[in-house]
Parts: sequence; structure tokens; C-alpha cells
Amino acid sequence: AQRVTQPEKLLSVFKGAPVELKCNYSYSGSPELFWYVQYSRQRLQLLLRHISRESIKGFTADLNKGETSFHLKKPFAQEEDSAMYYCALTPTGGYNKLIFGAGTRLAVHP
Amino acid sequence: NAGVTQTPKFRVLKTGQSMTLLCAQDMNHEYMYWYRQDPGMGLRLIHYSVGEGTTAKGEVPDGYNVSRLKKQNFLLGLESAAPSQTSVYFCASRDRSNQPQHFGDGTRLSIL
Repeated sequence: AQRVTQPEKLLSVFKGAPVELKCNYSYSGSPELFWYVQYSRQRLQLLLRHISRESIKGFTADLNKGETSFHLKKPFAQEEDSAMYYCALTPTGGYNKLIFGAGTRLAVHP
Repeated sequence: NAGVTQTPKFRVLKTGQSMTLLCAQDMNHEYMYWYRQDPGMGLRLIHYSVGEGTTAKGEVPDGYNVSRLKKQNFLLGLESAAPSQTSVYFCASRDRSNQPQHFGDGTRLSIL
């Protein structure tokens, strides 16, 4: 079955601390992986996708096919990073449907 | 460029009432999607459409119907609302190329 697991509901860190939001997936083929972010009372926005291999707002994510993981990392958290983060996958040939994880709320304290 | 627009933004219904949520996109996208967002469950796909006049079931389609009579609009209907349908509903769209989905602002629906 296709599944995305984000084990942490809440991740609380202090400003300047490193951040790692965990994401594991279950899929037999080669999915495309995404991280979406939702700031308070705003729409979901794409943060990054694994095929781009780029860094957005200091965040990076590496696809590890052996561990079926796509963890989101940032070396120094900022208060404005506080938001809800969703990991998602699109199965191959699935009309680009997104399968989301339950989300992790990141709270960055001053 | 408005992107994806959802109306209404908020609504409170009584059990058994009917309601239609409208999603409009001005990007000439082929694919459109309706998701519901519930605490601790992320977003789940209700229905989707791969083109004008076509619809398909997603992960949680029961209790909902959809129509895509015009390419730019994707309607989500609740024929007889139930408290379990209290949620935040998101619409999204994308084109056929390898671009990500664009989301609307969401509709917060409460059913009493």
C-alpha cells in the first residue's frame, strides 16, 4: 500500500538550532517526493521536490531509497519557519495524485 | 493571476443540508483535485478530474459528488451533510507537464 509516515506531530526547537523533520514512505515503485508547508491561515505551498535537488529557504531534503525516507533538514531554524509541514508522494502514473503524511508542526522559539 | 480560488471560505451547515463548494482556476490546468484536511490525518484525496467532463474517486469519496462541466471549474457537492464531514476542504490544480499542484486557500466547513 502507498503510505507516507511522519512520526512526529510536533517538533519544538529554539531559534538557531538544527531541524530535521522525518518522513518515511511505503511504495513499491519510484515515487516523486515533495515537502509542502502551510503557514498559519495560509494555503499549502510547495517547499521542495526531490527531483529539483534544490535548497529553498535553507531547507534541503535527500531521497534515500534504501531507507525509503525523505527527511527535511535545516541547519539553523528561524522563527518564521514555524508552520505545518507535510511530506507527500506522487505514485508513478497516478495522474499526479498526492498522498500526504499526517504532518508535523514545527515550532521555533526565540 | 488569481490562481486557484475557492468559495465560500467558511460555512456552517445543519445535518442533512446540501451544499456545493466551488473551485475555480485561471491557469488552464487539466487536472483538478479536492482534498479534505483533518487533524492528525493530513490531506486525503476525495475526488479528482483529469479533464473537462471527467471525474474519478479518490481515497475518501463517500458522501461527496463532483462535476467538471467547465475546464476551469471543479465543484464538490455534499447532498446530505453529516457531522463527520466537518473539515477544511482544499482544491488544487496542475497542468499536464511535470509541475507541482497549486492549492486554494481552503474552505472551512462545520456541520452541526
